[in-house]
Amino acid sequence: QSALTQPASVSGSPGQSITISCAGTNSDIGSYKYISWYQQHPGKAPKLIIYEVSYRPSGVSNRFSASKSGNTASLTISGVQAEDEADYYCSSYTTSSTVPYVFGTGTKVIVL
Amino acid sequence: QVQLVQSGAEVKKPGASVKVSCQTSGYTFTDYSLHWVRQAPGRGLEWVGWINPNSGVTTSAQKFQGRVSMTWDTSIKTAYLELSSLQFDDTAIYYCARLSGYDYWGQGTLVSVSS
Repeated sequence: QSALTQPASVSGSPGQSITISCAGTNSDIGSYKYISWYQQHPGKAPKLIIYEVSYRPSGVSNRFSASKSGNTASLTISGVQAEDEADYYCSSYTTSSTVPYVFGTGTKVIVL
Repeated sequence: QVQLVQSGAEVKKPGASVKVSCQTSGYTFTDYSLHWVRQAPGRGLEWVGWINPNSGVTTSAQKFQGRVSMTWDTSIKTAYLELSSLQFDDTAIYYCARLSGYDYWGQGTLVSVSS
């Protein structure tokens, strides 16, 4: 079971929308609704920003939205702001009994 | 509210073992699996393993098998991760996490392996 594939970096100017992809297989993203997205600022613990594919925890900005199509999940930041510059990780359960959970490779969001 | 509180930072020598604890509260301990995740400096998140306190089943990633032990004490709602034969590249922040849809994470425990 390999890690989910994310682009190494995505950049955008303040106010623009950016999208981060998370490519998996029919053994992980394609099979489960338990897909999460995390935001991580340097030196901080990961912060849950999306759970169960598209739900936002209370307190998370509605600029963050997410979806899934087939074996690929996507996170969109609408109107990106300087404070959104961070690392982002997707994650999913898998059908593997030996590796039941995987994370994405991580994406650095750069606000220009 | 759900909380996961981990033990403090550890410094160990190569070849030693380390045991990290994760005390939970705010939910029924046996109702949810608990995962261990680590993050080496400058690296991504890596799944280490999980426990199912209800069934008693534990599973760890293949790379840790043979030197990882995941245990728990239901009476005090606490899980433990023990990693033996530590190597320099085991230096990382170790997190416990309840990955149950709406996810909860501990604050992380820095384990430094240094001679």
